[in-house]
Amino acid sequence: GQSLEQPSEVTAVEGAIVQINCTYQTSGFYGLSWYQQHDGGAPTFLSYNALDGLEETGRFSSFLSRSDSYGYLLLQELQMKDSASYFCAVRDLKDDKIIFGKGTRLHILP
Amino acid sequence: DAGITQSPRYKITETGRQVTLMCHQTWSHSYMFWYRQDLGHGLRLIYYSAAADITDKGEVPDGYVVSRSKTENFPLTLESATRSQTSVYFCASGRRSGEQFFGPGTRLTVL
Repeated sequence: GQSLEQPSEVTAVEGAIVQINCTYQTSGFYGLSWYQQHDGGAPTFLSYNALDGLEETGRFSSFLSRSDSYGYLLLQELQMKDSASYFCAVRDLKDDKIIFGKGTRLHILP
Repeated sequence: DAGITQSPRYKITETGRQVTLMCHQTWSHSYMFWYRQDLGHGLRLIYYSAAADITDKGEVPDGYVVSRSKTENFPLTLESATRSQTSVYFCASGRRSGEQFFGPGTRLTVL
């Protein structure tokens, strides 16, 4: 079956860099997506990696390695507003279903 | 205004009642999705639709019914609500790529 694994919590300091990993087991998928969700809010799209490699969008970057079944979200110059939960997601190639990881809660210390 | 909306935002109902959650998007996205979010489970896909009149089950479809007669609307019905269906429900829309746009959510409580 398909599954996505993320750390449940990560803590970092304001101004620092943090990496949130996502490992997955699936027979094939279209690409890896990342979403941010603040408490009480809806998930918002951050990035999508269709191909292996690094995608950069401002302070956020996302990486995918299909051969290693691994991806990560990199957040630079952390700000207090980055305190949120971050979810990785894949769309299965065979049945087109979308699977989300259980999310990583990012705590930022001043 | 363009976007994706859900109604109601909050709903309290009783066990056994039928409840319909509405979702409307103005982007003409072909794909629409319903998720539920519970502590410890993250986001779980209930149903999705690739186009009008095409729907398919997700990870947790039991107890739910969907329809999509128009591209912009994707209602979710709980035929006979149970306490285990107390949750936050998110509707989303998107293209075939990995990018989805989520509605604000409906917080449903079943007593």
